[in-house]
Amino acid sequence: EVQLVESGGGLVKPGGSLRLSCAASGFNFSNAWMSWVRQAPGEGLEWVGRIKSQTDGGTTDYAAPVKGRFTISRDDSKNTLYLQMNSLKTEDTALYYCTTLQRYGECRFWGQGTLVTVSS
Amino acid sequence: QSALTQPASVSGSPGQSITISCTGTSSDVGSYNLVAWYQQHPGKVPKFMIYEVSKRPSGVSNRFSGSKSGNTASLTISGLQAEDEADYYCCSYAGSSTFPYVFGTGTKVTVL
Repeated sequence: EVQLVESGGGLVKPGGSLRLSCAASGFNFSNAWMSWVRQAPGEGLEWVGRIKSQTDGGTTDYAAPVKGRFTISRDDSKNTLYLQMNSLKTEDTALYYCTTLQRYGECRFWGQGTLVTVSS
Repeated sequence: QSALTQPASVSGSPGQSITISCTGTSSDVGSYNLVAWYQQHPGKVPKFMIYEVSKRPSGVSNRFSGSKSGNTASLTISGLQAEDEADYYCCSYAGSSTFPYVFGTGTKVTVL
């Protein structure tokens, strides 16, 4: 059974940093593309970014609102995905989901999400 | 890169069929048969419902079907049931855009 468990969310002040983790199990993590998707309270789904498998180059891509501030990485030895968030803004307040990602954007499996609140 | 446009809400009575539209551009929906749909009940995690415009993953009811014409994709729910009341999001591949994928704005489905 595929399991994705996010952690690391919390309350942070504007301008601060936070690192989210996503522990994966039940599938071959090292061969998987992964993504982060967020959802602000009462709002729709929004892409944060993606990371390819190491065999496909391990490269990352980011949505415009977070580019230059957020960094996605992975540790295949720990089956864990990370999201480093710097220079946080109040508009980054959202539930952050970790998902598996097919090449053309299908998110077949989702974690339960971890809540990030950016407020002074 | 703008979000795909969906109606804010769609409603129907039990047993009826409803259709949710998802309008993009020639750079995303119109260029690729790579549209997915997600269902999200209140307070729950999104569920993967449709991929490649019209294919259903294992376990998804055949009451859900997808189609596409030009720059607009559609999700049809047949035989509407109370449990179908949820938010629905489309998502399209967008090729070599700033970011390769784009979500829709979301549609609230209400079962009357």
